[in-house]
Amino acid sequence: QQQVKQSPQSLIVQKGGISIINCAYENTAFDYFPWYQQFPGKGPALLIAIRPDVSEKKEGRFTISFNKSAKQFSLHIMDSQPGDSATYFCAASSDAGNMLTFGGGTRLMVKP
Amino acid sequence: DTEVTQTPKHLVMGMTNKKSLKCEQHMGHRAMYWYKQKAKKPPELMFVYSYEKLSINESVPSRFSPECPNSSLLNLHLHALQPEDSALYLCASSQVGAMNTEAFFGQGTRLTVV
Repeated sequence: QQQVKQSPQSLIVQKGGISIINCAYENTAFDYFPWYQQFPGKGPALLIAIRPDVSEKKEGRFTISFNKSAKQFSLHIMDSQPGDSATYFCAASSDAGNMLTFGGGTRLMVKP
Repeated sequence: DTEVTQTPKHLVMGMTNKKSLKCEQHMGHRAMYWYKQKAKKPPELMFVYSYEKLSINESVPSRFSPECPNSSLLNLHLHALQPEDSALYLCASSQVGAMNTEAFFGQGTRLTVV
């Protein structure tokens, strides 16, 4: 059972545009929602994370929007750059479980 | 130091070989993880160690044998692997307990079984 569904699987955006990746979860026990960025041949690196007590978190060009009632969260990348081209994974965890459940991933390509 | 170091970076092994993957962190994290990642897929959890004790084994075949010698080190012993076990093996670490479950990943070991 896939507990975190991520869309789209792939995304092409022009330089300077906005990249939007969406995730939906099922397990209401989840209370920590990180986004990871992974470049080819590298391990995932934490990009930004949110807890359900806030609806939005912004760090530089990256923003997470969180909708607890809909059990959905999304990553917005403003002013997308070619260097942002990577695979992005949303994830979720609960403090009780201390383990991450990943979404399926989104391959982002930002065209110059 | 927020680094998780994995060695080797690349490994090619035959199906009859025995090899080990190593992972080290010095962030004081007491939870350590092994993940397996196939191409174009998300990481899949294999094992979780919490306070140096195996707390989660996600039904991994016995040809994979984890070991946590101390709070900074995590090993994955490999024996009699199959070609389908070829993948990127990722180690991660995090704090144990509430409100702080940020996980740091290593760069991975690219394993090829021939």
